[in-house]
Amino acid sequence: KNQVEQSPQSLIILEGKNCTLQCNYTVSPFSNLRWYKQDTGRGPVSLTIMTFSENTKSNGRYTATLDADTKQSSLHITASQLSDSASYICVVSGRDSNYQLIWGAGTKLIIKP
Amino acid sequence: KAGVTQTPRYLIKTRGQQVTLSCSPISGHRSVSWYQQTPGQGLQFLFEYFSETQRNKGNFPGRFSGRQFSNSRSEMNVSTLELGDSALYLCASSLSLAGGGNTQYFGPGTRLTVL
Repeated sequence: KNQVEQSPQSLIILEGKNCTLQCNYTVSPFSNLRWYKQDTGRGPVSLTIMTFSENTKSNGRYTATLDADTKQSSLHITASQLSDSASYICVVSGRDSNYQLIWGAGTKLIIKP
Repeated sequence: KAGVTQTPRYLIKTRGQQVTLSCSPISGHRSVSWYQQTPGQGLQFLFEYFSETQRNKGNFPGRFSGRQFSNSRSEMNVSTLELGDSALYLCASSLSLAGGGNTQYFGPGTRLTVL
């Protein structure tokens, strides 16, 4: 069964610190993996999209890595800011005929001053 | 370029009624996906439309239906509303099928409350 699991479920860190969020998936055959940021009560915003041939991609202070062999991805946030408080969602697309997206449950990140 | 728009933004209905939500995608985008998000929960995929055809469907009962028009605008309908249907309904558009490496852009959502 195609699944996407994220850890930790929630995380609290101090402003200015770095953190890493994890994503494991069983989706096969794999097409691409993306990370979204969702502020409370708003729609998700895409941070990165990676195909199997890409093992790292950055978007400002956000850096995503992908290991297609172990089916793992991580999202690293550098020098966190209060505005980084949000849910971060990992989404994997399977390379079937319709490329359906499989959504993780998300990691809720809280940045404290 | 205008973003994804959803109407109405807020809606209050009573059990047993039906509701229709509307989504206008970004100009040029041909794929529209719908999601349900209940308080404290992740996004649950409802369906995806591309070129007026439903291409993917999530695990929701038949009370949830949708359609896409020739101008790519989409509507979703929920019949015989239940209390558990209270949620934020999000629409997202992309150039082509969302899973094919295309970036999805989400609208602000419609918050539905069922009393």
